[in-house]
Amino acid sequence: QVQLQESGPGLVKPSETLSLTCTVSGGSISPYYWSWIRQPPGKGLEWIAFIYYTGTTKYNPSLKSRVTISVDTSKNQFSLNLNSVTAADTAVYYCARHSTGTGAFHFWGQGTMVTVSS
Amino acid sequence: DIVMTQSPDSLAVSLGERATINCKSSQSVLYSSNNKNYLAWYQQKPGQPPKLLIYWASTRESGVPDRFSGSGSGTDFTLTISSLQTEDVAVYYCQQYYTTPMYTFGQGTKLEIK
Repeated sequence: QVQLQESGPGLVKPSETLSLTCTVSGGSISPYYWSWIRQPPGKGLEWIAFIYYTGTTKYNPSLKSRVTISVDTSKNQFSLNLNSVTAADTAVYYCARHSTGTGAFHFWGQGTMVTVSS
Repeated sequence: DIVMTQSPDSLAVSLGERATINCKSSQSVLYSSNNKNYLAWYQQKPGQPPKLLIYWASTRESGVPDRFSGSGSGTDFTLTISSLQTEDVAVYYCQQYYTTPMYTFGQGTKLEIK
C-alpha cells in the first residue's frame, strides 16, 4: 500500500519561504502524477500544483508566481516551495497521488500544519 | 475557473435513511470525446485527510461501501448514501478535474446524524 508522508517546518515567518517534502513509500514515484493541496483551518481544499515523475509541472494560476514543485525520483520524494508567505498561507498541507489516468486524488498523506507567524 | 457549488452546506439525516448531497459546476465537466464527467467525491473526517469515494462522477473507488453512489452529468451531480451509518459522519467535497491546471473543490457539505 502506497504511503505518503509530509515533512517540513511547522512555523514559517512572514515573507519567508515555506518548504515541504513528501516521501513516498510502498511504491514508486513513477509513473504517476503527484500534487500538493492545502486546507486553511476550518476551511475547504485548495489545489496548489502537480508534478509528473518526469518533472512536468502545472501550477494553480493564483499561486503560480510564488510556487515551485520538484521531484527527486532517486529518493522517491517530491517537494514544494512557496515563497513570500503571509498569514493567508497558514494551512494544513497535503501531498497526494493522482488516481491513474485522472485528476482525482487517490492516496493522501496525513497532512502537516504550517503556521505563518512572526 | 470552474466554480463548484455544493448544497446544502450542512445536512442532518437519521440513521438508516438516505442522504443526498448536490454539486453544481459553473460549466460542464463532461468531456465529449470520451463521454466522461471529470468529477470526484471525497469524504473527510476530523483530523484526517480526504478519502476518495467516487471518480468519473459514478465510479466507486475500490473498498468504498456500495451504499455510496454518484450520479449526474454535465453540470449537476449528486452523491447519495443509501442508508446512513454512524461512520459516515464527515464533510463531503466534490472536485472537478476537467480543467488543467486548475482543479477546484466545492466548499464542502457537513453530514451529521439527526
